[in-house]
Amino acid sequence: EIVLTQSPATLSLSPGERATLSCRASQSVSSYLAWYQQKPGQAPRLLIHDASNRATGIPARFSGSGSGTDFTLTISSLEPEDFAVYYCQQRNNWPKVTFGQGTRLEIK
Amino acid sequence: EVHLEESGGGLVQSGGSLRLSCAASGFTFSNYEMNWVRQAPGKGLEWLSYISKSGSSIYYADSVKGRFTISRDNAKNSLYLQMNSLRAEDTAVYYCAREYWYFDNWGQGTLVTVSS
Repeated sequence: EIVLTQSPATLSLSPGERATLSCRASQSVSSYLAWYQQKPGQAPRLLIHDASNRATGIPARFSGSGSGTDFTLTISSLEPEDFAVYYCQQRNNWPKVTFGQGTRLEIK
Repeated sequence: EVHLEESGGGLVQSGGSLRLSCAASGFTFSNYEMNWVRQAPGKGLEWLSYISKSGSSIYYADSVKGRFTISRDNAKNSLYLQMNSLRAEDTAVYYCAREYWYFDNWGQGTLVTVSS
């Protein structure tokens, strides 16, 4: 099983600041990595697929980078609605995809 | 607009069974692979099961293999998850998710609570 480790567990920032979230895989997943956003009481929403491609309708302030085992989700300037939990997910080991444990982005 | 709506959750005793349904609309259901993903209270996401467009290919996570059965009815635009031999650790919100390489659309989830 490919284990995804996200860091930090919690990130406290203010609106307007830049957020950098990390996801590290226990073995290479090539570029088969996605990022999801989940707000309380809501389903996850796909933000980024294939490491760096924004999903339909996702604002340009969200960007993804990385390949192999190290990946980053960057939010260039935080909006109030961006405070949520973010998960990474790999599909290199499809169909047995796995998720990271999540990073909680909270308002400072 | 793509819409997925789960139903069938509820409270069940340990060892019991439940059948979850996911009604799809706003897209051609038979053109998409589908999955079930769950989230235990306060925890992260866990993939459970996959079914191909026709239903001919099916996969399960080890945690539910032999206890859960995924199926679909393309004529009814519906996805199902039959859950047997339920355990306390199966308590979670269960989501159906459409797959287009990744999980590009999700339902709002249905809560399953297993009492011991």
